[in-house]
Amino acid sequence: EAQVTQNPRYLITVTGKKLTVTCSQNMNHEYMSWYRQDPGLGLRQIYYSMNVEVTDKGDVPEGYKVSRKEKRNFPLILESPSPNQTSLYFCASSLTRTGSNQPQHFGDGTRLSIL
Amino acid sequence: QKEVEQNSGPLSVPEGAIASLNCTYSDRGSQSFFWYRQYSGKSPELIMSIYSNGDKEDGRFTAQLNKASQYVSLLIRDSQPSDSATYLCAPTGLYSGAGSYQLTFGKGTKLSVIP
Repeated sequence: EAQVTQNPRYLITVTGKKLTVTCSQNMNHEYMSWYRQDPGLGLRQIYYSMNVEVTDKGDVPEGYKVSRKEKRNFPLILESPSPNQTSLYFCASSLTRTGSNQPQHFGDGTRLSIL
Repeated sequence: QKEVEQNSGPLSVPEGAIASLNCTYSDRGSQSFFWYRQYSGKSPELIMSIYSNGDKEDGRFTAQLNKASQYVSLLIRDSQPSDSATYLCAPTGLYSGAGSYQLTFGKGTKLSVIP
């Protein structure tokens, strides 16, 4: 089954404790992306990646890191989480090549609470 | 900064009526237009895509695109309570092969279908 898998689904942690949210897709998609969703603010892109070893900032990259060492995986790293990073996070992927684009496939989301 | 404007709602319609959701966008380079449905606490799922001016119908859903006016809409006929969700508009440009490729979503319109 084609899917984007995020883990964990829920996490409650404390300020300053490093955490990683994993994302994996099995569709051989080039484009992968992380979003956060907050009430009234909609989906905001954090980082995206066009392919292995190619990443770029989205609208709200501060406080986050990403890496793309393999095509299927795109982890989101919070080195020193703070309460303002409490949010619902989505990973997404799409088959995007030069001169085209395709809709994104979303993971089930990670609800992150930073105390 | 690319802008995508949607009426946040809530838009309330009686069961069986037509729901009309609107979206305007600022990026004239947008070529593909995606509508996603998002139930509360769940991930967005693609329901319609449209690439050319005019109407595209799929079951009870009709997407309408007017690139000159930078306007795209989604009509839901015979609305059902199960259609109650937030609808996200995502105008998307073609990837050029170089440079930034940020993706932007509207903040969404919350639809409530009253039985």
